[in-house]
Amino acid sequence: QSALTQPASVSGSPGQSITISCTGTSSDVGDYNYVSWYQEHPGKAPKLLIFGVNGRASGVSNRFSGSKSGNTASLTISGLQGEDEADYYCATYTSNNNVLFGGGTKLTVL
Amino acid sequence: EVQLVESGGGLVQPGGSLRLSCAASGFSVTDRYMNWVRQAPGKGLEWVSAIYKDGSINYIDSVKGRFTVSRDNSQNTVYLQMTSLRPEDTAVYYCAADRNSNKWFYWWGPGTLVTVSS
Repeated sequence: QSALTQPASVSGSPGQSITISCTGTSSDVGDYNYVSWYQEHPGKAPKLLIFGVNGRASGVSNRFSGSKSGNTASLTISGLQGEDEADYYCATYTSNNNVLFGGGTKLTVL
Repeated sequence: EVQLVESGGGLVQPGGSLRLSCAASGFSVTDRYMNWVRQAPGKGLEWVSAIYKDGSINYIDSVKGRFTVSRDNSQNTVYLQMTSLRPEDTAVYYCAADRNSNKWFYWWGPGTLVTVSS
């Protein structure tokens, strides 16, 4: 199974909002409401941000939100802050009882 | 405090074997969905294997027949036995867990690096 498709990079200025897309197929993203999003800072373990498409993990700022339409899920970060600069990964449960990750998106805060 | 700590990584030759450990504290490994996720140098995350609360097990196709996941309830530890290692198995291996789901991972360990090279 191929990785979910994410843009390699996105950027935004402090205070702005950005959206990262995550495209799969009708057999994974489109078929299940099990999309999750992770934030990874260099040299650190990933951190769960969003689960079940739009559930916010415990302790995660409400500046992070998730959504899905068809085969594409999205992560929106509002009020960008310098600390948001990181890599972001989407993931989804699949019909093979696996978890499939996206290729990752590098967010640069200008 | 919930904590996951991996160990057992290192340098191994192609075709060799290695056993990774994931020691859990703050919860019982039998009460969580326990997973292994890896990240090759400069690459993205890849789910590798899972052992669920009920003991059922799952693997990504590329490691089936080579990797074996298990747990020791008395040691509160999950293991990943890796055999017939290939250069493409080189990665940081993370132990990741969730209480309620096998579909996402709330807790992560710091990872252990496995390098397969001659």
